[in-house]
Amino acid sequence: QVQLQQWGAGLVKPSETLSLTCAVYGGAFSGFFWTWIRQPAGKGLEWIGEAKQGGSTNYNPSLRGRVTISLDTSRKQFSLKLTSMTAADTAVYYCTRVPGRHFDVWGQGILVTVSA
Amino acid sequence: DIQLTQSPSSLSASVGDRVTITCQASQDISNSLNWYQQKPGQAPTVLIHDALNLERGVPSRFSGSGSGTDFTFTISSVQPEDFGTYYCQQHIDLPLTFGPGTKVDFK
Repeated sequence: QVQLQQWGAGLVKPSETLSLTCAVYGGAFSGFFWTWIRQPAGKGLEWIGEAKQGGSTNYNPSLRGRVTISLDTSRKQFSLKLTSMTAADTAVYYCTRVPGRHFDVWGQGILVTVSA
Repeated sequence: DIQLTQSPSSLSASVGDRVTITCQASQDISNSLNWYQQKPGQAPTVLIHDALNLERGVPSRFSGSGSGTDFTFTISSVQPEDFGTYYCQQHIDLPLTFGPGTKVDFK
């Protein structure tokens, strides 16, 4: 059974960069889009972006060039970097797998708080 | 961006009730719509993909229908474990977007 385990800093200072990593266990890494989604407390879901082996990446334009998603195929991991963090970026961040065009496996989520 | 609206925003149901949630897209998205359930403190789980396809392992009381701009999600006989928030999500165009959610609780 495929599992995603994610980790990273839960507290980020304003203007700094968020770094999160997600590891894939029990399944293939190639052939999927690997995606990040976030959810502010009590609110809905926002797609951040995706990456696929071979170099294909897509990002939400709302993040205005602040986001980078990268893959480490040898380790079966993928990462999120989000620069210039503000309070508006405070949310639970999820990593997910996309086999077709739906999110079928999710990480456990990490609450990221932006505060000095 | 494609906007998704859901109705109702919340509902209360009794065990055994039939529950219906609608999702309307701001433009034609063919059958490119998925449905998720999220319980408090947990990640969402996919129930229906491509408008009507039941994800493996999901009980058959869940179903989806629709195409174009109007979609329906139904729980034929709601069970106590079905409480939570339900989201629709379109995948015909980037950025991928979600509806605002429908919260289902019990009377």
